[in-house]
Amino acid sequence: GESVGLHLPTLSVQEGDNSIINCAYSNSASDYFIWYKQESGKGPQFIIDIRSNMDKRQGQRVTVLLNKTVKHLSLQIAATQPGDSAVYFCAERGSRNFNKFYFGSGTKLNVKP
Amino acid sequence: SAVISQKPSRDICQRGTSLTIQCQVDSQVTMMFWYRQQPGQSLTLIATANQGSEATYESGFVIDKFPISRPNLTFSTLTVSNMSPEDSSIYLCSVVFPTGNYGYTFGSGTRLTVV
Repeated sequence: GESVGLHLPTLSVQEGDNSIINCAYSNSASDYFIWYKQESGKGPQFIIDIRSNMDKRQGQRVTVLLNKTVKHLSLQIAATQPGDSAVYFCAERGSRNFNKFYFGSGTKLNVKP
Repeated sequence: SAVISQKPSRDICQRGTSLTIQCQVDSQVTMMFWYRQQPGQSLTLIATANQGSEATYESGFVIDKFPISRPNLTFSTLTVSNMSPEDSSIYLCSVVFPTGNYGYTFGSGTRLTVV
């Protein structure tokens, strides 16, 4: 199946700084991507998504960038807060089965007060 | 938004035994999915639970080890059979809802420890 991976396993940032979490994917035919946030003891929660016909999408304090040329995704969190501390996963929708998602290895974000 | 309830939330089981995990959704969904998340790892799809037909398993997962039931459009179970310590993981139920974004909504997971 598709392969999705992350560059950094852990990221520590100071409260108030911006955070950038990166992700690489392998299937150039993938057309839809999602970032999930998983807090301790909980299931992953949807943060933001992006389709392959877009380069950038903004939400509340979060921005996802998609670079199809190098098959790279990033999640930017503005003014990082302690509540942002979690593990973040990118997920790539399967190109053959649109109901399947393949998850990257995850980045743990630690926000220091 | 719809709610997914998983039971049990956690369990400690003896090796060689089996555990059945339940997933209940408060609205009808066509497809339900079971994922495994090993300690400190990402999520791996085990199988797709299809209503009215057998589950579809991913490579590396077999029905004898992870039998799945899907009796209706709001409920599914995953059984972890003949458990060993290597089965210690979080098991997550997820669904795709027909409205809103096209991603998964996850249950809170079942944390399984096999001793």
